[in-house]
Amino acid sequence: AQSVSQHNHHVILSEAASLELGCNYSYGGTVNLFWYVQYPGQHLQLLLKYFSGDPLVKGIKGFEAEFIKSKFSFNLRKPSVQWSDTAEYFCAVRTTSGTYKYIFGTGTRLKVLA
Amino acid sequence: EPEVTQTPSHQVTQMGQEVILRCVPISNHLYFYWYRQILGQKVEFLVSFYNNEISEKSEIFDDQFSVERPDGSNFTLKIRSTKLEDSAMYFCASSAGQTYNEQFFGPGTRLTVL
Repeated sequence: AQSVSQHNHHVILSEAASLELGCNYSYGGTVNLFWYVQYPGQHLQLLLKYFSGDPLVKGIKGFEAEFIKSKFSFNLRKPSVQWSDTAEYFCAVRTTSGTYKYIFGTGTRLKVLA
Repeated sequence: EPEVTQTPSHQVTQMGQEVILRCVPISNHLYFYWYRQILGQKVEFLVSFYNNEISEKSEIFDDQFSVERPDGSNFTLKIRSTKLEDSAMYFCASSAGQTYNEQFFGPGTRLTVL
């Protein structure tokens, strides 16, 4: 069965530190990849998505992610975090083989210290 | 910016009672989804709905669950006889298409079954 792993469950950083959140998936076919963010008390918002083409994807709020097919990974990065990035981050994968459901990772809670 | 909305934000019910969770998807979207997140666990797919039919459902979505689009705007999830283990955050999502479209999520309904 397909699965998504986010290895960092809780991350604490100081402002201006660099961020990298890992996401690995298990599926041998073509996938669409997403990162969503959930700020406290708010709904899931799309940060960025990958469907095809350039494996380095830029999203909102200075986030980017790189799809490395050989590693089945889609890691999220930001060079310099801000206090306002404190949130929970979810990686999601959608296979393109007749199902359109998202398979989510467990989420990573990021706390940025001012 | 159009948003998916959900009501109520929090529902408390007694075990065995029926609950209906309501969602208003983005108006020009055609595909609708329900996900749930039990506290501390992954966001899990429940069901997808298109053209007034269920297009896919997970193992979680048993006979106790049903979905409906009673009018042109609402999308509901009904749980016929709630169990303690149904306590979770329920997210509604919608998308304009499937292949190259992301899903937009609502803020969730927290269901507590006592």
